[in-house]
Amino acid sequence: GDSVTQMEGPVTLSEEAFLTINCTYTATGYPSLFWYVQYPGEGLQLLLKATKADDKGSNKGFEATYRKETTSFHLEKGSVQVSDSAVYFCALRNTGFQKLVFGTGTRLLVSP
Amino acid sequence: GAGVSQSPSNKVTEKGKDVELRCDPISGHTALYWYRQSLGQGLEFLIYFQGNSAPDKSGLPSDRFSAERTGGSVSTLTIQRTQQEDSAVYLCASSPGQARNEQFFGPGTRLTVL
Repeated sequence: GDSVTQMEGPVTLSEEAFLTINCTYTATGYPSLFWYVQYPGEGLQLLLKATKADDKGSNKGFEATYRKETTSFHLEKGSVQVSDSAVYFCALRNTGFQKLVFGTGTRLLVSP
Repeated sequence: GAGVSQSPSNKVTEKGKDVELRCDPISGHTALYWYRQSLGQGLEFLIYFQGNSAPDKSGLPSDRFSAERTGGSVSTLTIQRTQQEDSAVYLCASSPGQARNEQFFGPGTRLTVL
């Protein structure tokens, strides 16, 4: 079945550091890919998405590129802030299905 | 506008009791989803509604779990004869219902089975 694998956390960074959170997927067909974020005490929010190969999703300084050849959708940000501290989930939705398949989540801790 | 709301926010119950969890989707959203977030299993899909029908129930873990949706709006997830392994945060999401649309999540109901 479809699956998503994310790097283990927590990821601990200082403010203004560069962030990469790795995400790879296994799926038949041509899934859409997503990054969701869960801030402390809040619900899941969509951060960015990409619906086909080579698409780049971006939002709030975060970016991720849909790489079909490596089945990856790594999340990057050039300069993290303390307010970016949260749990980040990579997810896919395969063609013909409505459900999201999530990775296990990666906790990001940013210190001043 | 109002987002997805869920009630109760917290529920503590004893093993063997039945529980009902409620989800109010965003007004006008025809698609509704239930997920479960637990320490051991991560975020898992449970069931998907389009209108009042459930074309995908593949994630329901056992026949103790059921869900219904009425009037194309409110949904109730029922867990019968709760077990300790049912302890988790139950998340509801809704979307306008068209392909590739964002799913908007509620704050969740934290269920603890003693």
